[in-house]
Amino acid sequence: TQLLEQSPQFLSIQEGENLTVYCNSSSVFSSLQWYRQEPGEGPVLLVTVVTGGEVKKLKRLTFQFGDARKDSSLHITAAQPGDTGLYLCAGALANDYKLSFGAGTTVTVRA
Amino acid sequence: GAVVSQHPSRVICKSGTSVKIECRSLDFQATTMFWYRQFPKQSLMLMATSNEGSKATYEQGVEKDKFLINHASLTLSTLTVTSAHPEDSSFYICSARGQGAVQYFGAGTRLSVL
Repeated sequence: TQLLEQSPQFLSIQEGENLTVYCNSSSVFSSLQWYRQEPGEGPVLLVTVVTGGEVKKLKRLTFQFGDARKDSSLHITAAQPGDTGLYLCAGALANDYKLSFGAGTTVTVRA
Repeated sequence: GAVVSQHPSRVICKSGTSVKIECRSLDFQATTMFWYRQFPKQSLMLMATSNEGSKATYEQGVEKDKFLINHASLTLSTLTVTSAHPEDSSFYICSARGQGAVQYFGAGTRLSVL
């Protein structure tokens, strides 16, 4: 069983639509990262959240960290084909530098 | 963000040979690096944690004698797949730990064992 439950597994939407990806856990994380990975490449860090209730915005991407630091969401507004990729959430437990990854969400944005 | 270079990006080898993959942190010193394995359309699976100047810590089920890790300097970790077999074919990715628990990833190495 994975420490972080990520959903949905696949998401296919039309350009201009919005989408949300969720990561949930029963564990408390000291920090949580979101990465985006394209085929044949390594994951690229999008954001790190460390404070419960924190909201960070990166252009059309909005990241939230739950108040209890057990869950997080990624919301993309007006998705574009360039947003296509595998989105991964990853959390670090207190006093641990290892990351526990969610299963990933494959996002496809159709033009 | 920080830059991590991984080399080679792709390697094809015969069964029974050994393959070395290098992971370098280019603009920062990394006392801790990580090695992952990723299967198609799946998430990353941690294989081992590489600590500069000490032995690597392997995850359960990962054979330490098959996947040799060396972290001889603060900017370089290597993974050697010994006596590779077709079932070792996979996408291997390294990362270097930055501030806190943030990791910066290399571009990955596609290993194909014939």
